[in-house]
Amino acid sequence: AQSVTQLGSHVSVSEGALVLLRCNYSSSVPPYLFWYVQYPNQGLQLLLKYTSAATLVKGINGFEAEFKKSETSFHLTKPSAHMSDAAEYFCAVSGIIQGAQKLVFGQGTRLTINP
Amino acid sequence: DTEVTQTPKHLVMGMTNKKSLKCEQHMGHRAMYWYKQKAKKPPELMFVYSYEKLSINESVPSRFSPECPNSSLLNLHLHALQPEDSALYLCASSLERTRRQETQYFGPGTRLLVL
Repeated sequence: AQSVTQLGSHVSVSEGALVLLRCNYSSSVPPYLFWYVQYPNQGLQLLLKYTSAATLVKGINGFEAEFKKSETSFHLTKPSAHMSDAAEYFCAVSGIIQGAQKLVFGQGTRLTINP
Repeated sequence: DTEVTQTPKHLVMGMTNKKSLKCEQHMGHRAMYWYKQKAKKPPELMFVYSYEKLSINESVPSRFSPECPNSSLLNLHLHALQPEDSALYLCASSLERTRRQETQYFGPGTRLLVL
């Protein structure tokens, strides 16, 4: 079975500060990991994904994430927060069930940016 | 173009009504998904279609009836819903269903309120 745990349901940072959103995974096979962002009243948008090509993955909007197998982590970072980064962020691990891909999502982290 | 469209954006229905949600993509994707998302929760998988055939039904009540008329279109027919079915319904698509590294592209969702 695969799962992800997002530490911190709510993270608040000041504009211009470092953003760090934590995700730890559990997987019996080499994982494929995703970070999605959801802005209010919108669908999910892919930020980045890890598919074993490189441990440091760069995504859109200045976000990046580092895969650390020894720590079973895939934390999302951004050097300098912008007001437009305020949103819900979901980490997900991908599995195959009954021959089809299934994303297993974490509970989400709500990011608030203080001016 | 990585767009998945959904109509309507909002829907209010009574418990005796019949309504349908529509999802469309023109990316040549062969897998399409329906998710249900309650407030402050991650999306939950409901159905997976691959090559217009139902691959996964995650034990969804029969009052939800999916349909995939062609490779670009996915419908969700609603009948005799309960107030607890009120949620954001998200559609997603991916190139193939059988690979864990595939990106699922999400639509903006239909916000459903059952009275």
